[in-house]
Amino acid sequence: NAGVTQTPKFRILKIGQSMTLQCTQDMNHNYMYWYRQDPGMGLKLIYYSVGAGITDKGEVPNGYNVSRSTTEDFPLRLELAAPSQTSVYFCASSSGPSYGYTFGSGTRLTVV
Amino acid sequence: QQQVKQSPQSLIVQKGGISIINCAYENTAFDYFPWYQQFPGKGPALLIAIRPDVSEKKEGRFTISFNKSAKQFSLHIMDSQPGDSATYFCAASEDFGNEKLTFGTGTRLTIIP
Repeated sequence: NAGVTQTPKFRILKIGQSMTLQCTQDMNHNYMYWYRQDPGMGLKLIYYSVGAGITDKGEVPNGYNVSRSTTEDFPLRLELAAPSQTSVYFCASSSGPSYGYTFGSGTRLTVV
Repeated sequence: QQQVKQSPQSLIVQKGGISIINCAYENTAFDYFPWYQQFPGKGPALLIAIRPDVSEKKEGRFTISFNKSAKQFSLHIMDSQPGDSATYFCAASEDFGNEKLTFGTGTRLTIIP
């Protein structure tokens, strides 16, 4: 019973590099989300998806891209990494309204 | 623009005491208000949630109080224990459709012996 699995757990990127944060869920949830967590700022929504093939921007989408080709996977792509993208990234999934989110354990990204 | 304001930022409570965390919202279309608990190095986990058709919901030592007219809701932790030490986030979502949650900034709770 894995739930939401995020990889990698830690990563250091140099400015200008690109990478993909992986997120997989095994609960057959239609809804998936990417948040970033910065100290004292709470969680900010980057992108979300309501089903395979459907994605939409959240509050802070600039510098990121997503895709949702399957129900299980929702990768987050960082292009041309910048120091402002240093953060902890959380993927979450949900089966629908009032059922709450299941979060992964996060990816701590540092851009230097 | 922050749509969910949470206070305090940090809170220290003695073991056995009552921990109280407050949140206020601006968007009157919000209709789902969960609280999440996060331990260091872990993702947030759903603790308890409420809808505006009730003024209070209790699950064990955790209670949400909701004041629709004031647009405020709060988490009360009774008989606080060291194991409750964590960061707590309130959140709100607007509709049944896509359930996008807007989170507060978090409260770091420390329970001391």
